[in-house]
Amino acid sequence: QQQVKQSPQSLIVQKGGISIINCAYENTAFDYFPWYQQFPGKGPALLIAIRPDVSEKKEGRFTISFNKSAKQFSLHIMDSQPGDSATYFCAASGGSGYALNFGKGTSLLVTP
Amino acid sequence: KAGVTQTPRYLIKTRGQQVTLSCSPISGHRSVSWYQQTPGQGLQFLFEYFSETQRNKGNFPGRFSGRQFSNSRSEMNVSTLELGDSALYLCASSSQGDSRNEQFFGPGTRLTVL
Repeated sequence: QQQVKQSPQSLIVQKGGISIINCAYENTAFDYFPWYQQFPGKGPALLIAIRPDVSEKKEGRFTISFNKSAKQFSLHIMDSQPGDSATYFCAASGGSGYALNFGKGTSLLVTP
Repeated sequence: KAGVTQTPRYLIKTRGQQVTLSCSPISGHRSVSWYQQTPGQGLQFLFEYFSETQRNKGNFPGRFSGRQFSNSRSEMNVSTLELGDSALYLCASSSQGDSRNEQFFGPGTRLTVL
């Protein structure tokens, strides 16, 4: 079963706007939450990651917000640019496994 | 440093055949994981190898197998191909054996089963 649920499936944002993608998980053993960005024809690339001991992490225009009690985390892309148009995946891992459990992805289109 | 390389990049096979995909991790990385990516199911974990040992396996049938060599290069094999095996197969490497370290993905092998 899908251990990480991601929404929305697709998102259209105007240039300069804020893109927000949400994820939820069930397994409380998860302790690592990365976000990956994938362009067509390429493999996913790590964008930013967070561990549950902090509630927010910011790197440039990208911010992860983490709510441990709600078992939710989200990616905010500030000042979205056309070059940000890609598919974004949230993921979670931890416990005894070594696998990344991915959400189903969000296709982001930033219009000029 | 060269990234993760996967060969071949594209493959077309027919049902019932078998296929072998290859992955060369980043130099010095000892952990290699394989994922299947499809439009319907997204990215799903196949298996992970560390120092030639399979440490974790996803929920895939036994037709999917893999191995890792002493130089950390890895191969995955799919036997008796089915139409539903058409997918992008991604390999990821990391320096440590813990998925909580950054995993670097290759460009993938696009497998089409006819």
